[in-house]
Amino acid sequence: DAGVIQSPRHEVTEMGQEVTLRCKPISGHNSLFWYRQTMMRGLELLIYFNNNVPIDDSGMPEDRFSAKMPNASFSTLKIQPSEPRDSAVYFCASSKVAGNGYTFGSGTRLTVV
Amino acid sequence: GQQLNQSPQSMFIQEGEDVSMNCTSSSIFNTWLWYKQDPGEGPVLLIALYKAGELTSNGRLTAQFGITRKDSFLNISASIPSDVGIYFCAGINAGNNRKLIWGLGTSLAVNP
Repeated sequence: DAGVIQSPRHEVTEMGQEVTLRCKPISGHNSLFWYRQTMMRGLELLIYFNNNVPIDDSGMPEDRFSAKMPNASFSTLKIQPSEPRDSAVYFCASSKVAGNGYTFGSGTRLTVV
Repeated sequence: GQQLNQSPQSMFIQEGEDVSMNCTSSSIFNTWLWYKQDPGEGPVLLIALYKAGELTSNGRLTAQFGITRKDSFLNISASIPSDVGIYFCAGINAGNNRKLIWGLGTSLAVNP
């Protein structure tokens, strides 16, 4: 089992550029979550999907953020245009059973300069 | 968004000492989870608790689901240097459909 795979591990981009973060959940997991982690606010849930369908995107900061899950094995989180305050570590996580803990990926550290 | 009250915020202890940290909430939860995060990695699930009063161990780690369903604690016995990291509590309440509510973490440093 390869676990949850995220890419890239690190991304440095200039303000105004588009950023795309990628996630491959664990095979057989039907729920996928995108989180943002900062020192000030800790782990914040941005959006989650059940069976590829977005269920709750109330944590998405603003219209500059969008997420898709075109199939059960792939999801993207896009920021366009990026701003310095978007700098954070973005985690993807997946789970199989309702109410159980998630498995997290290793995260993407995003720096917007 | 809603967050759990996790304490202490940080701890610095000597190797061999026991450690205790806890989380409280104003809401009732039906699941409590404890995670550990190492630098540069995502959180890893340590212990999951599903019933009020449940006491569960995982090696030197022990966690309990409070009987009021509004709190949980994690104990680490005989700490070792590899226990260093950030420990997070997370809870799921009945109406939240797998959305975890997180504490801000307890940063643990162990002096060999």
